[in-house]
Amino acid sequence: NAGVTQTPKFQVLKTGQSMTLQCAQDMNHNSMYWYRQDPGMGLRLIYYSASEGTTDKGEVPNGYNVSRLNKREFSLRLESAAPSQTSVYFCASSEGQANTEAFFGQGTRLTVV
Amino acid sequence: AQSVAQPEDQVNVAEGNPLTVKCTYSVSGNPYLFWYVQYPNRGLQFLLKYITGDNLVKGSYGFEAEFNKSQTSFHLKKPSALVSDSALYFCAVRLYKAAGNKLTFGGGTRVLVKP
Repeated sequence: NAGVTQTPKFQVLKTGQSMTLQCAQDMNHNSMYWYRQDPGMGLRLIYYSASEGTTDKGEVPNGYNVSRLNKREFSLRLESAAPSQTSVYFCASSEGQANTEAFFGQGTRLTVV
Repeated sequence: AQSVAQPEDQVNVAEGNPLTVKCTYSVSGNPYLFWYVQYPNRGLQFLLKYITGDNLVKGSYGFEAEFNKSQTSFHLKKPSALVSDSALYFCAVRLYKAAGNKLTFGGGTRVLVKP
């Protein structure tokens, strides 16, 4: 049972480069999320998708775009990477009801130099 | 708006002693509350949640948490800590019928259990 799978696990980018972080879940969950984790700041929501076909901004959406490709997959794109986007990125999914827990991927450690 | 505060950046406890990790929340309606644990270089793992009913919730690995509506708190507890409990702990809140069912996290509390 894979759960939530993120690729890649590690990435180094130069300022201005673009890349897409991939996320897939095999639990038939409706909702998917992208968070970033920075020291001392906990997890901050970047974008979320409440259901297939919908996406919405979270707390810190600037510099990112997302695509809910289908029910399983939710990608995060950095069009022009900046050093401030150096972080650990987590994808998560949940069934879609407010009382259900979210399941997290292993994370992508991104460094922008 | 919903928010979560974890007032302690780090908690140090001796192995075998009780462990408490504090969490307070702020929401404008009925909250659903969650605790997660993160081990080094890993994703977050779900520990337990409060939905409704009994204020004392039991979860994985011997952890429990007490919901206190009047104090808007949801503290995580373990009667006897283990060295293996050393990790980063996150409290999270979700508002009933929140748009997109967004989870809002606290800043995290690092727990260090010393032998």
